[in-house]
Amino acid sequence: QVQMVQSGAELKKPGASVKVSCKTSGYTFTNYHITWVRQAPGQGLEWLAWISPDNGNTNFAQKFQGRLTLTTDTSTNTAYMELRSLRSDDTAVYYCARFTGASDYGFDIWGQGTMVTVSS
Amino acid sequence: QSVVTQPPSASGTPGQRVTISCSGSSFNIGSYPVNWYQQIPGTAPKLLMSGNNQRPSGVPDRFSGSKSGTSASLAITDLQSEDEADYYCAAWDDSLNAMVFGGGTKLTVL
Repeated sequence: QVQMVQSGAELKKPGASVKVSCKTSGYTFTNYHITWVRQAPGQGLEWLAWISPDNGNTNFAQKFQGRLTLTTDTSTNTAYMELRSLRSDDTAVYYCARFTGASDYGFDIWGQGTMVTVSS
Repeated sequence: QSVVTQPPSASGTPGQRVTISCSGSSFNIGSYPVNWYQQIPGTAPKLLMSGNNQRPSGVPDRFSGSKSGTSASLAITDLQSEDEADYYCAAWDDSLNAMVFGGGTKLTVL
């Protein structure tokens, strides 16, 4: 079955970087964009960006441009999200998800989430 | 402050019908498909309604979606205790060049 399995929880100090992985299986990796969404404690969902594993094209929410890098490894069907210059308000659960495409604009398969805590 | 707005809470008793609204603008809901997500606290969101009104496989037909102009709604009939969750609408926004989520609606089954 289609799965997205993320790396484990991270504890980082302010100013550091974090890299979260999202290993996919059960479908053709290059056929679907991978998107990243985060959720701060007790808050709603916030879209960060997406990447096409086929050609590496990316699209970022403006507030994360310059601080966020998305990459993919087609040899392992894994996507990565790296967020730099971490602040306390970056503390959140970070989710990867599969984007269904421009017909529906939905995120149909989600990873289990990775808790990133930023604290001194 | 999200550009797509939802009521923060909704409630109903078992067997009732409830609706959750989602209001946006011509930049988002008015121009792009709306998707709905269900999130049980402590778990990842789940796609509940795709492309305004399409139920992914496995979603009960008690759930339905609709869109008119710059607003959308999610209806749940025959409300059940397992429907208690947070519900989010989402749509692409041309002015922000970003996917925008509503603030979420917490559904309580009384």
